[in-house]
Amino acid sequence: LAKTTQPISMDSYEGQEVNITCSHNNIATNDYITWYQQFPSQGPRFIIQGYKTKVTNEVASLFIPADRKSSTLSLPRVSLSDTAVYYCLVGDRNNQGGKLIFGQGTELSVKP
Amino acid sequence: GAGVSQSPRYKVAKRGQDVALRCDPISGHVSLFWYQQALGQGPEFLTYFQNEAQLDKSGLPSDRFFAERPEGSVSTLKIQRTQQEDSAVYLCASNLGPLYEQYFGPGTRLTVT
Repeated sequence: LAKTTQPISMDSYEGQEVNITCSHNNIATNDYITWYQQFPSQGPRFIIQGYKTKVTNEVASLFIPADRKSSTLSLPRVSLSDTAVYYCLVGDRNNQGGKLIFGQGTELSVKP
Repeated sequence: GAGVSQSPRYKVAKRGQDVALRCDPISGHVSLFWYQQALGQGPEFLTYFQNEAQLDKSGLPSDRFFAERPEGSVSTLKIQRTQQEDSAVYLCASNLGPLYEQYFGPGTRLTVT
């Protein structure tokens, strides 16, 4: 399974756009890129998933370059409630039920 | 509708005791996963069920850990003879199948003293 590397922590201010980049140099052809968000004392929550180019939903955008060796999660106009840990995951959705392999994540702190 | 629920939310066990952690997945979800999350770390996969069949238990750290899902709905993770290194949050997740997002419960925080 592809290993991911992302910053351990990031700081931002309310109203700013936040971009979290994840490196996954060994991504395989069948691998998808998925981001989860986790608040303290809660389980992770799915944010977005993509395979290539750009994916956008009501919460975030995911940018994936052509070589797929990295990806960037973009959170528009963050608020204090976006303070959380963000995990980048890479894996084959059909492999072993689609079990998730988490790294250490990026702890995002949004300040007033 | 209701999400994934787990009980108890907190459990304190003395070293050597057995514990049982329960997971109620979302109704109709075929797949169920257990993860272990140590403090400051990301969750780590323990085991996976498709209906009542345990298809992957490669992440269980030792033979003291046992999971079951006898009727394909509720699941129980049992830890025998708990050790201090078992202290962690145990997360349960479920989904409709491999191509679908996983929905996580709030976790059970286990502290072994």
